[in-house]
Amino acid sequence: DSGVTQTPKHLITATGQRVTLRCSPRSGDLSVYWYQQSLDQGLQFLIQYYNGEERAKGNILERFSAQQFPDLHSELNLSSLELGDSALYFCASSASGQGNYGYTFGSGTRLTVV
Amino acid sequence: DAKTTQPNSMESNEEEPVHLPCNHSTISGTDYIHWYRQLPSQGPEYVIHGLTSNVNNRMASLAIAEDRKSSTLILHRATLRDAAVYYCILWMDSSYKLIFGSGTRLLVRP
Repeated sequence: DSGVTQTPKHLITATGQRVTLRCSPRSGDLSVYWYQQSLDQGLQFLIQYYNGEERAKGNILERFSAQQFPDLHSELNLSSLELGDSALYFCASSASGQGNYGYTFGSGTRLTVV
Repeated sequence: DAKTTQPNSMESNEEEPVHLPCNHSTISGTDYIHWYRQLPSQGPEYVIHGLTSNVNNRMASLAIAEDRKSSTLILHRATLRDAAVYYCILWMDSSYKLIFGSGTRLLVRP
């Protein structure tokens, strides 16, 4: 157990639907990061939050959105789902959001869009 | 984005040391060098990170070149459990991003 909790572990849904992935960071960590990993793309950085505020954005589609709540957990919302959104979605957390701390990753949510 | 260059794959024998190289010639003075590894169907696992000086922890050692344009992850005694994809990544102070490349797939022979 890395200390980063992601739910659900598996999700199967139909095209056009909307889903919410949840991440609870390691205790004491203020920063949360979301990554997408599909077979042909490797690990793609989506977005970072630090203490409730968006800090950095990567290749996140407009159909996707995220937020970090006051209790520091984060949610990634994926809407108008397409087959190509099928992937593993990882959440990571770190203490400061700076490079002087390592990132701790969760075990991921496997999303299958059918 | 600053890029790193790693060999696609490497092989090692069990219980022997492994040196995984990484080139990062465009590194800036405030960019940290991070290493992570990933086993199949698992999330990446933090291994080690550093800025300028060599670093040691219970998992590995990180040797950073004096000009910081390259680094080497050292696993002192490889085990079968060390077989994974190893990612060398620059954390860039200018963008707050940790961008993963394609990594090095390490195969450990018994």
